[in-house]
Formats: sequence, structure tokens, C-alpha cells
Amino acid sequence: KQEVTQIPAALSVPEGENLVLNCSFTDSAIYNLQWFRQDPGKGLTSLLLIQSSQREQTSGRLNASLDKSSGRSTLYIAASQPGDSATYLCAVQPENFNKFYFGSGTKLNVKP
Amino acid sequence: KAGVTQTPRYLIKTRGQQVTLSCSPISGHRSVSWYQQTPGQGLQFLFEYFSETQRNKGNFPGRFSGRQFSNSRSEMNVSTLELGDSALYLCASSSHVAAGGPYNEQFFGPGTRLTVL
Repeated sequence: KQEVTQIPAALSVPEGENLVLNCSFTDSAIYNLQWFRQDPGKGLTSLLLIQSSQREQTSGRLNASLDKSSGRSTLYIAASQPGDSATYLCAVQPENFNKFYFGSGTKLNVKP
Repeated sequence: KAGVTQTPRYLIKTRGQQVTLSCSPISGHRSVSWYQQTPGQGLQFLFEYFSETQRNKGNFPGRFSGRQFSNSRSEMNVSTLELGDSALYLCASSSHVAAGGPYNEQFFGPGTRLTVL
């Protein structure tokens, strides 16, 4: 069974810092990996989808990388802002299954 | 394009009752998945529907069921509610997808917050 781990569980940084969130998964047989953010009490907002054949994806200040063979992904946030405060979740889709396994998330607090 | 919508947004029920939640996917999306989110277990997959057929099911008891209509709207039903069913129920839609094939991007709705007293 696929297990997804996110480290750290919580992170507090001053505004303007660059930061890295980590996601690891136990089975490298995946189709893709998707990063989401979740604001308190809300649904998930898609940030980036990386397909298994890709190494990275970029959107604005966000850059996500994928090392499928080692079972790792990182989400890089440049020049963090208070509005980035949220919980960040990664999810992987195993090959041959139409479902995602989620990590438990990293709760980010960016202080003004 | 309108996003994924879920109704109702909040529900309060008592133990033993049953509940039906609704999800309308993004127009053109035929795959709808349901997830349960709790503080202790995180996000757990319930089931996925495509073209009115359930293709995948998670490890939940038979009290949890769902269906999908010809317009891709989906409902999930929980019967004989238990306190532990209190959770945020999220649905997601995707534009793909062949059975056992990779998804395109998944988009989530705002969720239905179910409280069981």
C-alpha cells in the first residue's frame, strides 16, 4: 500500500523567506503527483500537477520537483508572503488505480 | 467555467440517521471522486465514479455508498450514522480518465462539513 509522508508537519517563517516543503512516497510506481493548498475549513486548491515523465513544474513563485525513483517531491516557494499561510498537501496517483493517496500535510505560517 | 460545487455545505445529524451529499463536477468532467477528511486520519479515498460506474472503492464500510447520474453529478449516502463519521467530505472531478489510467489535474469542491451528534 502506498504511504505518503510530508515533512515538516508545521513550519513558521518570516515574510520574504524562500522555503521548501517535502513529500515522500513509498512506491515509485506512480502516474503523477499533485500539490494542493488548503485554507482552514475550505476545500483543496490545486497548485501543480507533475506527471511521472516530468521532473518539475513551475507556476509563479512555486516550483515543484519530482524524483520518482527515490520517491520524493519538493515544493519550493519563493519570497513567501502572509497570504501563503495554509496547509500544503501532496497526493500521488499509483499506476493502474484511479485514486490518490494523500500526505498529512505541512501547515505553513508566514509571519508579516 | 464554474468550479466543483457541493451541497449542502454544512449538515448536523444525529446517530442512526442517514445523509445524502451532492457533488456537481466541472462541466465536461466525467470522473468524480469522494474523500473523507478528519483530523486524525487525514484525507482518505472513499470511491470514484466514471460514466455512472463505480471504478474504485476505498476501505470504508458498506454504510458508505454513492452513485453517479448521466449528467456526471454524483451523490454519496451514509446510512446509520456514527459519531466517527463527523468529517469534511470532499469531492473532486477530473477531465480524464481511462480505467486504470493517469488523471489529468483533479479539482476539488469546497466540501460538506458533516457533524454527527
